[in-house]
Amino acid sequence: GESVGLHLPTLSVQEGDNSIINCAYSNSASDYFIWYKQESGKGPQFIIDIRSNMDKRQGQRVTVLLNKTVKHLSLQIAATQPGDSAVYFCATRHSDMRFGAGTRLTVKP
Amino acid sequence: EAGVAQSPRYKIIEKRQSVAFWCNPISGHATLYWYQQILGQGPKLLIQFQNNGVVDDSQLPKDRFSAERLKGVDSTLKIQPAKLEDSAMYLCASSPTSYNSPLHFGNGTRLTVT
Repeated sequence: GESVGLHLPTLSVQEGDNSIINCAYSNSASDYFIWYKQESGKGPQFIIDIRSNMDKRQGQRVTVLLNKTVKHLSLQIAATQPGDSAVYFCATRHSDMRFGAGTRLTVKP
Repeated sequence: EAGVAQSPRYKIIEKRQSVAFWCNPISGHATLYWYQQILGQGPKLLIQFQNNGVVDDSQLPKDRFSAERLKGVDSTLKIQPAKLEDSAMYLCASSPTSYNSPLHFGNGTRLTVT
């Protein structure tokens, strides 16, 4: 069956450093990938997406990298700020949208 | 644009009771989803609607869960009777299309079954 997983359940970084959150997926037919941020007590918030015909996409302070060969997705956050502290989920779509278990990012001042 | 609205924000019930959640998606969004999120886990899809028709309900426990989207706008999710393991956050999301567009989530209903 399809699974979406993350390499680390928690990540702690110093304010100002860059953060990298990784995600592995199993369904090679997945063609759309999204990163979400979820703060405590709130619903997931869209950060950035990428389609399978791309391998890199940049947003404001965020970059998503897609490696279809090894079925790996990563989210890079530049100059991490305290407001970036949250749980980050990757999600993949083939027939439906499937979420990983999440990585909790903690930013130390 | 206004976001996805959900109510209530919190609900506490006893096992074997019934409960209903309401969702109003973003105006014009044809696709509506209900997800269940157990504490410490990622959201799990329960049901997906396209307008007022069900696209995918393969993970909905149909012996106790039901959902409807009358007129293709608002939606309700019901649990009857509730079990302890139903304690979770219930998230509603919508998107303009069902394919290759991000989901917009509401802030969910936190259900506690005692």
